[in-house]
Amino acid sequence: VQLQESGPGLVKPSETLSLTCDVSGYSISNGSYWGWIRQPPGKGLEWIGSIYHTGQNYYNPSLRSRVSMSVDTSKNQFSLNLRSATAADTAVYYCAKEGRFYSLDFWGQGTLVTVSS
Amino acid sequence: QSVLTQPPSVSGAPGQRVTISCTGSSSNLGANYFVHWYQQLPGTAPKLLIYDNNKRPSGVPDRFSGSKSGTSASLAISGLQADDEADYYCQSYDSSLRASRVFGGGTKLTVL
Repeated sequence: VQLQESGPGLVKPSETLSLTCDVSGYSISNGSYWGWIRQPPGKGLEWIGSIYHTGQNYYNPSLRSRVSMSVDTSKNQFSLNLRSATAADTAVYYCAKEGRFYSLDFWGQGTLVTVSS
Repeated sequence: QSVLTQPPSVSGAPGQRVTISCTGSSSNLGANYFVHWYQQLPGTAPKLLIYDNNKRPSGVPDRFSGSKSGTSASLAISGLQADDEADYYCQSYDSSLRASRVFGGGTKLTVL
């Protein structure tokens, strides 16, 4: 299983941060949840949200008002949108596959997104 | 403030055994949800190290072990090696936060 994040590395404040995760070696439709996690520079990990191939999703309560996630099974990829970005959203963003009991068993390499004018 | 509490740092000499604690509450570890551990080497993505409290994915040495009791969990690393120097995170599920996956704040392991 391999995951690869892609998207702009620079986002302006108040704009939408959009990322896509391409999955290979495993079908998104196989019945796992797929997640986004972020890590601000020098800080710890923060779960953003998870989505099932049917579109069922769960978001971090602290981000719920600004987050949306979607799945494209035809492209075997899933996406993240984070609206009204601020400097506090600057982080390395990881996509990951959920395994047993909410573990995250495969991760992408991560992509740094900087929110700045 | 993380939902799961870890010490910011631990250290040990090569060959020694160290433990990293992870303390939760009645809505996560105390509710019998599993704890998982990740190792993050400098500049790399986290890697699943222990899942379901005490299981090792294929390829993880048996020097790494996990345990859980009540609202607390521990990661033990025996026979410390220089390349074990990394950040370690615990993670679980919290039923009070609408299906939230939650992380500990992370522990920096220094091999002296």
